Amino acid sequence: RKEVEQDPGPFNVPEGATVAFNCTYSNSASQSFFWYRQDCRKEPKLLMSVYSSGNEDGRFTAQLNRASQYISLLIRDSKLSDSATYLCVVNQAGTALIFGKGTTLSVSS
Amino acid sequence: EPEVTQTPSHQVTQMGQEVILRCVPISNHLYFYWYRQILGQKVEFLVSFYNNEISEKSEIFDDQFSVERPDGSNFTLKIRSTKLEDSAMYFCASSEGSGGGDQETQYFGPGTRLLVL
Repeated sequence: RKEVEQDPGPFNVPEGATVAFNCTYSNSASQSFFWYRQDCRKEPKLLMSVYSSGNEDGRFTAQLNRASQYISLLIRDSKLSDSATYLCVVNQAGTALIFGKGTTLSVSS
Repeated sequence: EPEVTQTPSHQVTQMGQEVILRCVPISNHLYFYWYRQILGQKVEFLVSFYNNEISEKSEIFDDQFSVERPDGSNFTLKIRSTKLEDSAMYFCASSEGSGGGDQETQYFGPGTRLLVL
């Protein structure tokens, strides 16, 4: 099973900043794509699914480029509460989710 | 909002002992999963379960591991003869369905932190 790769960070940004995370996946047969958020020592929580046409949920925008096997997450107007680890997650063809190691974001006042 | 629950939250055991981790998936969900996360590492898939049988498992899920749905609500992971390297956070997850769309979204429980001494 091939990997999902992310820049581990940390990304340290001030409140109000815009920050972008990138992710690449190696299996071209991957079918579903997600961003999960994980707070320290907590469970992963779904942030948003990623659709081929790109999608937005409030301050969060996700993009998928199947040709480049690349997924991105943009966070606008960062809040202190956005501080967490952001996990890029791919479902290749079955039921298993394949996780990246995550990108750590720290938002400071 | 419905949640996946797990017990215990923490478990300490001696090497070689058997442990059973318990999960109660969201009530209308049909697919159940176990994942683990070793401290500082990524979340790793162990096994998925549907219709009372394993539907997919990873290389990690060897003969040391087994899963069971003993009744209509619980889903368990048994680890026989635990090893030091089994120390990790074990997450249970559930989903309504699979194969695309919102139905496949997996919701995770809070985890059981297992420490093998």
